Amino acid sequence: RKEVEQDPGPFNVPEGATVAFNCTYSNSASQSFFWYRQDCRKEPKLLMSVYSSGNEDGRFTAQLNRASQYISLLIRDSKLSDSATYLCVVNQRAGKSTFGDGTTLTVKP
Amino acid sequence: GAVVSQHPSWVICKSGTSVKIECRSLDFQATTMFWYRQFPKQSLMLMATSNEGSKATYEQGVEKDKFLINHASLTLSTLTVTSAHPEDSSFYICSALGVFSYEQYFGPGTRLTVT
Repeated sequence: RKEVEQDPGPFNVPEGATVAFNCTYSNSASQSFFWYRQDCRKEPKLLMSVYSSGNEDGRFTAQLNRASQYISLLIRDSKLSDSATYLCVVNQRAGKSTFGDGTTLTVKP
Repeated sequence: GAVVSQHPSWVICKSGTSVKIECRSLDFQATTMFWYRQFPKQSLMLMATSNEGSKATYEQGVEKDKFLINHASLTLSTLTVTSAHPEDSSFYICSALGVFSYEQYFGPGTRLTVT
């Protein structure tokens, strides 16, 4: 079993749709959690950190459930520019990051 | 935000040659940098952790004699792919650990093609 597992996708949604991505992790000692966005042939960029209390940034909401070892990302009112691969990242300790395989999102007009 | 640069952004080399990739933190000091490799449609795989002034720590399955890492200063780490072969063709990305130690800042990546 992989340490970090994500919905493989791809997700193809129309503009304006709401889409949710899920991620599970196996190491209960994991300390911090993030969602990154990666555009084709580019480096990953931090989208947002994930907290148990939930974290909202505009159209994006991230949630952590430590008991279930589950992380989610919700995107509301999808834009064409949201098309990318979304990576779930789990840190076991400072600097030790494990990346999920990513979920590809395509938003269509 | 913190900026990390990589050079070159892409390189094509012949089989058997060596290629050096530089990773620089431009506006902050990075005692720890990471080197990742990403094959098409796959996620980033950590190759090694580079610590300034000490030997790099390699992940299991990564040949340290093939992928030489030097972190000679607080702003520069280099990865040298020695005797490159076509199977080494990949996207190599470095990252530097931020001040708060939980956030990584990624370089733009280097696309290596070995012919």
